Amino acid sequence: GIQVEQSPPDLILQEGANSTLRCNFSDSVNNLQWFHQNPWGQLINLFYIPSGTKQNGRLSATTVATERYSLLYISSSQTTDSGVYFCAVGSNTGNQFYFGTGTSLTVIP
Amino acid sequence: DAGVTQSPTHLIKTRGQHVTLRCSPISGHKSVSWYQQVLGQGPQFIFQYYEKEERGRGNFPDRFSARQFPNYSSELNVNALLLGDSALYLCASSYNAGNTIYFGEGSWLTVV
Repeated sequence: GIQVEQSPPDLILQEGANSTLRCNFSDSVNNLQWFHQNPWGQLINLFYIPSGTKQNGRLSATTVATERYSLLYISSSQTTDSGVYFCAVGSNTGNQFYFGTGTSLTVIP
Repeated sequence: DAGVTQSPTHLIKTRGQHVTLRCSPISGHKSVSWYQQVLGQGPQFIFQYYEKEERGRGNFPDRFSARQFPNYSSELNVNALLLGDSALYLCASSYNAGNTIYFGEGSWLTVV
């Protein structure tokens, strides 16, 4: 299967700081999504981004498919941004996603 | 519109018992996938169903089975529960395979 590596594994930020989360993957992909898992376990879609750049408010993401990595940018972080961020890449058949081990973000006031 | 709904949200079972978890996809979505997430790890793929047929199976033992019904809802069944089956079980739906997937809130299973 596709190997997905995320870095850093843990991140502690002061409220208002910016951060960059990275996702490296081992094979070409047709589908890549970023998720935020809240403390109750629900995975919330942030971006569907197999290539290119997208922005949604304080969050933006870039995927460089040819170099097999994706970046998630969080600007002006807030305490509600705390949680675990996962990168998931889809198999070429489209029938399953491979997840990284996540980046655990803690934003302190 | 309602999102992906799962039931039950929490349950406790004894080793050796059987469990059934249920999932209703977003209206109009025909693909349902199941994932297992143990503490500290990312979700692991178990099954995908599309149009009521199994389209993918992860590296899980035969104790795990699933099915999809004509209304596209799905059940995940686990037999002969082991302590190691304790996890968050997540259901995801998408319009078809390869599209954006949306997760439910999950079912927390504890095996004692």
